[in-house]
Amino acid sequence: DSGVTQTPKHLITATGQRVTLRCSPRSGDLSVYWYQQSLDQGLQFLIQYYNGEERAKGNILERFSAQQFPDLHSELNLSSLELGDSALYFCASSVVAGGPDNEQFFGPGTRLTVL
Amino acid sequence: GQSLEQPSEVTAVEGAIVQINCTYQTSGFYGLSWYQQHDGGAPTFLSYNALDGLEETGRFSSFLSRSDSYGYLLLQELQMKDSASYFCAVIDKTGGGNKLTFGTGTQLKVEL
Repeated sequence: DSGVTQTPKHLITATGQRVTLRCSPRSGDLSVYWYQQSLDQGLQFLIQYYNGEERAKGNILERFSAQQFPDLHSELNLSSLELGDSALYFCASSVVAGGPDNEQFFGPGTRLTVL
Repeated sequence: GQSLEQPSEVTAVEGAIVQINCTYQTSGFYGLSWYQQHDGGAPTFLSYNALDGLEETGRFSSFLSRSDSYGYLLLQELQMKDSASYFCAVIDKTGGGNKLTFGTGTQLKVEL
């Protein structure tokens, strides 16, 4: 158990809909990362937040957005869903203040199925 | 952009040693990490190299050559539970972020 929690575990929805995935980082971790894992694209970095601010952006679609709240939990919003958005979405966290951030701790993931 | 290459599949017997190679071409490079992922599970951190050389952590070691844009993960005394996918990942801290770009993964099968 990494200490990172994600809800829900599974999500089934229809094309065109909007969903929100939630992540709670390990206690004390200031950085939250979102990744998408699909069979054809592999494990892809979407976005990083550090203490509420966006720090790095990957191949995140404009239909996707994220935020990190004052209590450090994060949400990933996916809108106008397409079949190709079906994937496993991981959240990871790292870096206690002043510590190294080279190790990321991954949550169990949310499996999104778009029908 | 970033690209990382790893073998797609490696098979070895229990007790053996296996090496998984990773070559990368990146626009930003801070270090190279390795992660393990069992089917249906979350990636878990194995090791990290920022400088050239070998890092050893128990049965696992990782090597980096920055001049060759090359690294490898060495797994010794293989056990059945080591059957999993292994990903190398380039760390890019350009702009103050901490971005991981993952390779396509190597599926390791450990046989009796």
